[in-house]
Amino acid sequence: AQRVTQPEKLLSVFKGAPVELKCNYSYSGSPELFWYVQYSRQRLQLLLRHISRESIKGFTADLNKGETSFHLKKPFAQEEDSAMYYCALSYQGAQKLVFGQGTRLTINP
Amino acid sequence: KAGVTQTPRYLIKTRGQQVTLSCSPISGHRSVSWYQQTPGQGLQFLFEYFSETQRNKGNFPGRFSGRQFSNSRSEMNVSTLELGDSALYLCASSFSQTPNTEAFFGQGTRLTVV
Repeated sequence: AQRVTQPEKLLSVFKGAPVELKCNYSYSGSPELFWYVQYSRQRLQLLLRHISRESIKGFTADLNKGETSFHLKKPFAQEEDSAMYYCALSYQGAQKLVFGQGTRLTINP
Repeated sequence: KAGVTQTPRYLIKTRGQQVTLSCSPISGHRSVSWYQQTPGQGLQFLFEYFSETQRNKGNFPGRFSGRQFSNSRSEMNVSTLELGDSALYLCASSFSQTPNTEAFFGQGTRLTVV
């Protein structure tokens, strides 16, 4: 079955430090991978998707098919990055997202 | 343009009752998906509708059902409510049903079953 694993429930780093949120997936085909973010008192929103190969708010994520990973990285964390981050997978031509359990990122001043 | 709107925002029901939740997608979006979010299970896919047809269904009992209207608005229904159905129910809409399309989420309906 398709599965997304985010091993860290909580992650705390200092402002200016690098950030890496881990995401591993299991799917035998070619998945579409996303990072969604939920800031305090806001709705869940798309941060980035692997197909776009873009950097959003300084975040990047590279799909590593060999390691079945899609880790989210940012070289210098900012306080406004504090939020809940969800890695998600979509497949089989469907708008059906399989989410990881999420990682709560806290950036300390 | 207006975002995804879910009504009501909060709901308290008694075990055994049924409930209907509503979702109005972003104008022009034809795909609507529903998710259940609980502290223990996280975000779980319930079902997806596209052009009034259910395209995908998650692993939930038959008590959970939904439908989509010709204006793309969607409703989900839960019958014979159980305590474990207490959750935040999220609706998401997207322009198409291809897997790399961005999903726009509503604020959710928080259902409490007592």
